[in-house]
Amino acid sequence: GQNIDQPTEMTATEGAIVQINCTYQTSGFNGLFWYQQHAGEAPTFLSYNVLDGLEEKGRFSSFLSRSKGYSYLLLKELQMKDSASYLCAVDTGRRALTFGSGTRLQVQP
Amino acid sequence: DVKVTQSSRYLVKRTGEKVFLECVQDMDHENMFWYRQDPGLGLRLIYFSYDVKMKEKGDIPEGYSVSREKKERFSLILESASTNQTSMYLCASSLPFGANEKLFFGSGTQLSVL
Repeated sequence: GQNIDQPTEMTATEGAIVQINCTYQTSGFNGLFWYQQHAGEAPTFLSYNVLDGLEEKGRFSSFLSRSKGYSYLLLKELQMKDSASYLCAVDTGRRALTFGSGTRLQVQP
Repeated sequence: DVKVTQSSRYLVKRTGEKVFLECVQDMDHENMFWYRQDPGLGLRLIYFSYDVKMKEKGDIPEGYSVSREKKERFSLILESASTNQTSMYLCASSLPFGANEKLFFGSGTQLSVL
């Protein structure tokens, strides 16, 4: 089976840095995605990693270690609007994504 | 911008009813997907389709069927709705899976089965 684990909830302070971890054990691996989902809205694409290392995109960065089955999403200079759920998803090679249960991030003033 | 439209934002049905959830995308995407989202369980794949009239079971297909008669439209059918099918249903579309083929999601249908 496929197993993708993320913390359920995290809290951080405005202006700080937060790291959201994702570990996976899947039958195949073609890449890992991060999506952001605000309450009551559709998920939207944030980042994609297929090779080991860090991908930076503005305030958001995503890291992948394929040998460890591990990824993290790093959010810098947190803003109140970053309060959302963050979904880790793996392309296992079956032409559809398998999602973790998501991490709900609460940013406090 | 890709637009994925789900026909209803909220739906209330009775146990045993046949329910149709419709999804239309306007970007000529080959792939379309149906997920359900439940608290603590995340998004779980019900069915997906990579071409017209083609469909594949996801992780939780029991109690559901799908129809893809046209490329832009992917319908999810609950043959006989049950209370455990109360959930948020999300439709998504994408280009064929290669590298970095991100999903574009609709706004979701919150289905309540009473």
